Amino acid sequence: EVQLVESGGGLVQPGRSLKLSCAASGFTFSDYNMAWVRQAPKKGLEWVATIIYDGSRTYYRDSVKGRFTISRDNAKSTLYLQMDSLRSEDTATYYCATSSIWGQGTLVTVSS
Amino acid sequence: DIVLTQAPLSVSVTPGESASISCRSSKSLLSSKGITSLYWYLQKPGKSPQLLIYRMSNLASGVPDRFSGSGSETDFTLKISKVETEDVGVYYCAQFLEYPFTFGSGTKLEIK
Repeated sequence: EVQLVESGGGLVQPGRSLKLSCAASGFTFSDYNMAWVRQAPKKGLEWVATIIYDGSRTYYRDSVKGRFTISRDNAKSTLYLQMDSLRSEDTATYYCATSSIWGQGTLVTVSS
Repeated sequence: DIVLTQAPLSVSVTPGESASISCRSSKSLLSSKGITSLYWYLQKPGKSPQLLIYRMSNLASGVPDRFSGSGSETDFTLKISKVETEDVGVYYCAQFLEYPFTFGSGTKLEIK
């Protein structure tokens, strides 16, 4: 079964860090560009970052540049998102995704 | 950034009738390779988004052929013929032509 399973979300104070993971199965992970997409509570979808299939290039939305780092381990079929200097506006459900496959999401709440 | 404008904000449909959702792009989504990089997703209540249409008019695997996508370089339409109760949720268009990737604000489909 094709699957993406996120983990690592939780409650974190402003200014602190959190690292999300996404485990892929059922498809050849190393063939796909991967992305993180987030959704604030009761809001729409917002692209966060993309990493090319071989890890050679990364792209970020302006609001997370310099604070978030997307990475991947193709040997482990796992995608990561290191989130530093978190802000309240980063509160959202974070989805790991390809254009055709989405995980179930993991909730990140940034609050004191 | 490419702005995607969806209309209407919400639509209420009687089962068995048709519904159309519009997505207008601020820039042509036709790539130099002749591919129109416009995608449609449905997010059912409490679920992750699921792919319906890719590259403007291609039906994703497992999606009923009641769904169809059409358009030009900047104006796109998702049509749902013979709406069923399981079609309720929020429909999003998305562009993957250039970074930052962007999504429309969503169209909520309800059943009368």
